[in-house]
Amino acid sequence: DAGVIQSPRHEVTEMGQEVTLRCKPISGHDYLFWYRQTMMRGLELLIYFNNNVPIDDSGMPEDRFSAKMPNASFSTLKIQPSEPRDSAVYFCASSFSQGYEKLFFGSGTQLSVL
Amino acid sequence: AQKITQTQPGMFVQEKEAVTLDCTYDTSDPSYGLFWYKQPSSGEMIFLIYQGSYDQQNATEGRYSLNFQKARKSANLVISASQLGDSAMYFCAMSFPLSGNTPLVFGKGTRLSVIA
Repeated sequence: DAGVIQSPRHEVTEMGQEVTLRCKPISGHDYLFWYRQTMMRGLELLIYFNNNVPIDDSGMPEDRFSAKMPNASFSTLKIQPSEPRDSAVYFCASSFSQGYEKLFFGSGTQLSVL
Repeated sequence: AQKITQTQPGMFVQEKEAVTLDCTYDTSDPSYGLFWYKQPSSGEMIFLIYQGSYDQQNATEGRYSLNFQKARKSANLVISASQLGDSAMYFCAMSFPLSGNTPLVFGKGTRLSVIA
């Protein structure tokens, strides 16, 4: 299995631009999570899906952030418009079930908004 | 509220020595899972070990063991015979499978540096 695949690995953009981060979970996993990691706040859960349905998006910082999961093998996290404070590493993770199963993380996307 | 606390921002250990990374948690939920993840400088998150709240024995995985003290609400990670490659950030995390609405909650992490 290829593991959780995220793209791009690095993204540098200018303030105000739209940014789209992509994730392909492990086949068969029914939970998908988006986390953001910064030095100040550590790892924060942004949103998670179960069977492609968003379950909890209370961690999404603002309306500028949106996430979709159109099918079991693909998810996107979009920031529009981006701001410098959005600079962080964004991780996608997937699991078979919530709670008892370990998360499998992607390699992350390092986002820099100038 | 459910909370994970890692009180050691940074730790140093001599190569081949054992080291304990602290993790305490706070929950009123009787059923929960405790996880440790390693994040090397390359950035990926690597699962190390898992302990369920009802597990009778402490979890072990190779050189990793979890010192689970339920009454104290602590789940410390013990790394035996440290290696240079163990230098990384280590995160303690907690899940609440019966709560239905909270996936993994992570602590702030501990940066471990192994010295030759």
